[in-house]
Amino acid sequence: GEDVEQSLFLSVREGDSSVINCTYTDSSSTYLYWYKQEPGAGLQLLTYIFSNMDMKQDQRLTVLLNKKDKHLSLRIADTQTGDSAIYFCAVLSGGYNKLIFGAGTRLAVHP
Amino acid sequence: EAGVTQFPSHSVIEKGQTVTLRCDPISGHDNLYWYRRVMGKEIKFLLHFVKESKQDESGMPNNRFLAERTGGTYSTLKVQPAELEDSGVYFCASSHGPSGGYGYTFGSGTRLTVV
Repeated sequence: GEDVEQSLFLSVREGDSSVINCTYTDSSSTYLYWYKQEPGAGLQLLTYIFSNMDMKQDQRLTVLLNKKDKHLSLRIADTQTGDSAIYFCAVLSGGYNKLIFGAGTRLAVHP
Repeated sequence: EAGVTQFPSHSVIEKGQTVTLRCDPISGHDNLYWYRRVMGKEIKFLLHFVKESKQDESGMPNNRFLAERTGGTYSTLKVQPAELEDSGVYFCASSHGPSGGYGYTFGSGTRLTVV
């Protein structure tokens, strides 16, 4: 079946860049998303990329998509303590109106 | 506009009891979804309503789970009887049309603990 894999934990120093990686299996996914969950909060849509794009930049966030390798990454520039959260990669299941999520990457930002 | 609202935010029940979770979508959103995250694992799709009709319920774990959306407005998800493995965070989301480039708007979730 469809699957999305992410590393579970990432620790970075404040001010450095963070890169969170994700791989997926469904080659027909049209939209790919990054969601953020802060402690005690719901899922917040951070950004998304359409499958015919290679890159999308939005302020400190850069999304890279390698469709051949089915690899998606989220780069956060100048990481701040407020970026500490769980980041979920999700893909829109091809042909179906539902999201397939990864297990989430917990980002810890330390001074 | 108000976001997606879920009640309760937390629920602790004993095994064998019944629990009903409620979701109020964004007004005017025909599409309503339920997802669940169990034990820190991936968030999994449960089902999808279009208005009051179940469009896709392929993710429902078993017949102890019953989802309804009477009148196409709010939705309830009932677990009866609850088992220990039902513990997790239940998320509701809504969208106006197919999610496409807008994703869904998620609620804050209901954390269910079955003891």
